[in-house]
Amino acid sequence: DMKVTQMPRYLIKRMGENVLLECGQDMSHETMYWYRQDPGLGLQLIYISYDVDSNSEGDIPKGYRVSRKKREHFSLILDSAKTNQTSVYFCASSLRQARQDTQYFGPGTRLLVL
Amino acid sequence: GEQVEQRPPHLSVREGDSAVITCTYTDPNSYYFFWYKQEPGASLQLLMKVFSSTEINEGQGFTVLLNKKDKRLSLNLTAAHPGDSAAYFCAVSADTNAYKVIFGKGTHLHVLP
Repeated sequence: DMKVTQMPRYLIKRMGENVLLECGQDMSHETMYWYRQDPGLGLQLIYISYDVDSNSEGDIPKGYRVSRKKREHFSLILDSAKTNQTSVYFCASSLRQARQDTQYFGPGTRLLVL
Repeated sequence: GEQVEQRPPHLSVREGDSAVITCTYTDPNSYYFFWYKQEPGASLQLLMKVFSSTEINEGQGFTVLLNKKDKRLSLNLTAAHPGDSAAYFCAVSADTNAYKVIFGKGTHLHVLP
């Protein structure tokens, strides 16, 4: 069963704290993504990873960094979280970086930064 | 770069009526088109993937139309039912953006019983 998992599903942090969001996939997909979803803005790409240690900035990378040390895991790190980083974060994966590849999404992490 | 505009942002229809969601895109080199459905509180699930060579694509209870001349993609839900209530997102992949797709901002569809 093809699956993308995300942990945690819900998280509350105080401004200035560090945040670690984890994503896993069991499909041996090469490419993984981090998005955030805000009302009225749709999905915004934060980072994309083409494979282990091969990461590129997306459209809104500021305030975020990522880590991919194993093909099946992709982490999103917020160093010193800000209130405007309150959002729903989705991880996705696709087989390759080919333009016809379907992205498979995880269930999302709802982050609240107080 | 590619821009995708999705309309309308909100749509309410009665059960049994049709619902139409439209996306327009700018890059004429766009080749792959996706529709995703997101039920409340859930993740995005692929509804249909469309290739540029096919203008009419039929799914279960819906049709996706691609008009390459006008650079317009539409999702037509025929005889909508309450289970269709969700957010719908189009996504477009162009030759110039091989590594990512560009998502529309979404349409929140509410089907009234």
